[in-house]
Formats: sequence, C-alpha cells, structure tokens
Amino acid sequence: DVKVTQSSRYLVKRTGEKVFLECVQDMDHENMFWYRQDPGLGLRLIYFSYDVKMKEKGDIPEGYSVSREKKERFSLILESASTNQTSMYLCASSAPGGTSSYNEQFFGPGTRLTVL
Amino acid sequence: KQEVTQIPAALSVPEGENLVLNCSFTDSAIYNLQWFRQDPGKGLTSLLLIQSSQREQTSGRLNASLDKSSGRSTLYIAASQPGDSATYLCAVSTGRRALTFGSGTRLQVQP
Repeated sequence: DVKVTQSSRYLVKRTGEKVFLECVQDMDHENMFWYRQDPGLGLRLIYFSYDVKMKEKGDIPEGYSVSREKKERFSLILESASTNQTSMYLCASSAPGGTSSYNEQFFGPGTRLTVL
Repeated sequence: KQEVTQIPAALSVPEGENLVLNCSFTDSAIYNLQWFRQDPGKGLTSLLLIQSSQREQTSGRLNASLDKSSGRSTLYIAASQPGDSATYLCAVSTGRRALTFGSGTRLQVQP
C-alpha cells in the first residue's frame, strides 16, 4: 500500500513565524504535490515537484516555498506565516507517466494549520 | 482553463438506496479522472481511477463511468450504507501536472 505521511495533524503558529510542513512518501514516486483546502474554494495547488530539486508553481504559490532534497520528502515552507494561511494542507504523490497507474494520486492525512 | 463541476452539492438518502453522483469537466483532453472520498477533517482516499481510454471502473459497490467526449463522469453507489457518508470529490488530470478538483458532493446516508 502507498503511504503518504505528514509531520503534524494539527499545528498552531503565530503571525510572522517560519513554518515547515513535511511530507514523506514510501513508494518511490517521482511526483509530489502540495494543496490547500478551504471551505467554498475546494482544493488548490500550491506547488509540485516532478524530481529531486525540481519544483513548479501551482495556482497559488504566493507566500510559500518548497524544498525537495530527497525523492521521498517534499517540504512546504511558509516564510512568514499570516492569518490568511490558516487552512488544511494536503500532500500527495504519484508515479510518473507510462505506468499502469499513471498519475493516480495518493494523499496524506492532512495538516490543519492555524495562524494566530 | 479546466473547470470541474459536481452536482449535487449535497445529498441525503435513506440507507439501501442506489445513488448517482455527477461530475462534469470543460476540457475533454484529460489523461484520467479520479474519484476520492473525504471524511470530515481527514485526507483524501482514492476510490477509483479511470484512464482516458476506459469507459468505466468498478470496485465493490462503486462504479464510475467516463464519457470523455461529453466531459462527464458519474459515480454510482449501490445499496448505500451509513458508512458511505462522506464528501465525494472528482478530479481530472491533464498530464504530469496536478489534478483539478470539483467542489465535491456531501453525502449523508440516513440509517
């Protein structure tokens, strides 16, 4: 079974703090993704990565950065947390193209971040 | 830009009913379509993946169909149970890039 884990289920931070959200997958997937989910707005893509040290901006990258130093780990960084970044953050991974389960995405349990 | 719409937004049915959830998308150039389930406060669980070359997929009491040319998919749930209560999301993939999600259908199955 594919397993995607996230470092925290719940996190409370203060405005201006630097926040790290960690995601680890155990299926040797090339692709990894960070989404945020908000009521009424659905899931929106923040950043994704298709290889180590590679990253691409998603639909809402402002205020975020990412790091992928190892294949299994993808970190989301909030450089200076703000209250409008209070949200549910979901990490996902998928195999590369050409496999029998092309692009099927597997999600972690989510991190509920509150910025005060 | 791809847009995904799910109808209805919410649905309440008595236990035992068969039901259909609808998903439509605006750009038919998709690689695949995926149905997920999400319980309150939790992550997403993948239910079914339909590749663009397929017409349907089945898993237990779930059956998903895909009509790419008309931009539609349906998720059929047979003999619904209270444990099926959750939000169901459909999402489409247009390549290596991430999925585009619908806003979901919140399902409540009454015992």
